[in-house]
Amino acid sequence: AQSVTQLGSHVSVSEGALVLLRCNYSSSVPPYLFWYVQYPNQGLQLLLKYTSAATLVKGINGFEAEFKKSETSFHLTKPSAHMSDAAEYFCAVSDNTDKLIFGTGTRLQVFP
Amino acid sequence: GAVVSQHPSRVICKSGTSVKIECRSLDFQATTMFWYRQFPKKSLMLMATSNEGSKATYEQGVEKDKFLINHASLTLSTLTVTSAHPEDSSFYICSARRQSGTEAFFGQGTRLTVV
Repeated sequence: AQSVTQLGSHVSVSEGALVLLRCNYSSSVPPYLFWYVQYPNQGLQLLLKYTSAATLVKGINGFEAEFKKSETSFHLTKPSAHMSDAAEYFCAVSDNTDKLIFGTGTRLQVFP
Repeated sequence: GAVVSQHPSRVICKSGTSVKIECRSLDFQATTMFWYRQFPKKSLMLMATSNEGSKATYEQGVEKDKFLINHASLTLSTLTVTSAHPEDSSFYICSARRQSGTEAFFGQGTRLTVV
């Protein structure tokens, strides 16, 4: 069985500060890992994904995530937050069946 | 990127009535579409997976007679909430992919309110 845990339902940062959103996964098979962003009343947009290639994955909007097997983590980071980054972020895991298992989400607030 | 469109974006219906939500892949043929339900402050829960031309596969605990899914063409899947009740109020999101192993693209979601 696969599962995802996102630590912290809310994260607040100042504009220009580092963004760190945490995600830990559990999987009995080599996982595929994803980060999605959701703006209010909208669907999900893929930020980045890990599919067993490079452990450091770069995504859109300046985000990146590092796959650490020893820590079963896939934390999302961005060096400098922008006001437009305020949204809900979801980590997800999948096996080779393409079924996505989502975490409970982290709401990112960015203050000026 | 590929575009997936859901319609309507918001719908209010009376308790006991049925409501249909459409999910269309606008610029690609989707062999598989997924339907999710998102509760307030909660994650997305996969309800069912539908492959074009075949019956949908429902997740455990999802009532197939209540949530009717049809995927009659490679560009359209529909979710019908039958005999809706206030507890069915939620945000429903679909996603679509061309083929296994490729990225699934999400629709913008449908906010259903049952009064």
